[in-house]
Amino acid sequence: QVQLRESGPGLVKPSETLSLTCTVSGGSISSYYWSWIRQPPGKGLEWIAYIYYSGSTNYNPSLKSRVTISVDTSKNQFSLKVTSVTAADTAVYYCAREIRGHHTFDIWGQGTMVSVSS
Amino acid sequence: SYELIQPPSVSVSPGQTATITCSGDKFEDKYACWFQQKPGQSPVLVIYQDTKRPSGIPERFSGSNSGNTATLTISGTQAMDEADYYCQAWDSSTVVFGGGTKLTVL
Repeated sequence: QVQLRESGPGLVKPSETLSLTCTVSGGSISSYYWSWIRQPPGKGLEWIAYIYYSGSTNYNPSLKSRVTISVDTSKNQFSLKVTSVTAADTAVYYCAREIRGHHTFDIWGQGTMVSVSS
Repeated sequence: SYELIQPPSVSVSPGQTATITCSGDKFEDKYACWFQQKPGQSPVLVIYQDTKRPSGIPERFSGSNSGNTATLTISGTQAMDEADYYCQAWDSSTVVFGGGTKLTVL
């Protein structure tokens, strides 16, 4: 059974870079699209970016200038970097697997809370 | 950019039918998906490709999509169905979520 686990610092200072990693266990990262999605406290879901295991990517236009998604197939991991963070980037960050051919998500990580504060 | 609009809240009595809508321009030309999210938990996919239920999702959950509106219907609503529900679509190679609807069962 495929499981996803997010990892990374829970606290980031304003103007610095947020870095998170999603580790895929119980299955291969190959042949799937993988996404990052976030949810500010008390608010809705916001898709950030996706990456195919081969490395092709796409980003939410509203975040594109500050976000980079990458994949390491040797480690069965994919990662997210968000630069120049502000308090508005405070959120629970989820990684998720896309169902093949359906552009939606069948497996989610448990989420990791990231706070931006000095 | 494409927008999906949901009512902020819907209330339903136990055993009755709950209907949650999601509106977007010519939404019927895209596929609608629905997620259920309970407090402190990750979202769970309950409907995809307008009407399909993933394995393990009860039959009381159903979906439709026509015109500008997709609808999630929960028949015989149970207390355990109280949650936030999000619609989602795919547009111009990006993922779009609706703002979410809080379903209260009372």
